[in-house]
Amino acid sequence: NAGVMQNPRHLVRRRGQEARLRCSPMKGHSHVYWYRQLPEEGLKFMVYLQKENIIDESGMPKERFSAEFPKEGPSILRIQQVVRGDSAAYFCASSPPRGNTGELFFGEGSRLTVL
Amino acid sequence: GENVEQHPSTLSVQEGDSAVIKCTYSDSASNYFPWYKQELGKRPQLIIDIRSNVGEKKDQRIAVTLNKTAKHFSLHITETQPEDSAVYFCAATGGGGADGLTFGKGTHLIIQP
Repeated sequence: NAGVMQNPRHLVRRRGQEARLRCSPMKGHSHVYWYRQLPEEGLKFMVYLQKENIIDESGMPKERFSAEFPKEGPSILRIQQVVRGDSAAYFCASSPPRGNTGELFFGEGSRLTVL
Repeated sequence: GENVEQHPSTLSVQEGDSAVIKCTYSDSASNYFPWYKQELGKRPQLIIDIRSNVGEKKDQRIAVTLNKTAKHFSLHITETQPEDSAVYFCAATGGGGADGLTFGKGTHLIIQP
């Protein structure tokens, strides 16, 4: 049973370009979470999605950031017109449907560097 | 929303000694408190968790205690070993959707040989 898969693992973008980060949850998991981790910082919640629904996006910046989890395919975190401050590790986590233990299973992260 | 504070930010202990990391939370409705370990460049991984209906849980050298009245919980690692060196994050439910977690800022644990 493959774990949470994220790609790319490393992404370099110039200011103003777009970044797309993908996340495939564990098999059987229908909940996906995106977290951002800055150097020497903790994990900051961004968004929580279920298939075709955004449940909570209270941690998403109001502009340039969007997320989706379509019926088919991976969840995507999209950052438009990237700036240097977007450089960070972006972690995706998944969990089974409601009634689970509460544990989140994390992917290896996507490390975005903005030049 | 939930706010989780974690202390200390860095902890250095001699190999074989014990390490204690403490967290406080703000939302009295929170009921699930996991601890994650993150090695350099790796994913966070769950090492132990506790629910609000118990006060203590132990798994070999690792234990977690929870004080619901005071809204704080702690991670205890005994007989520390070099492989325990990592960043440890506490978390609590709340602030991230119905099942989301709010994390503390992490503690960098250094085991001195």
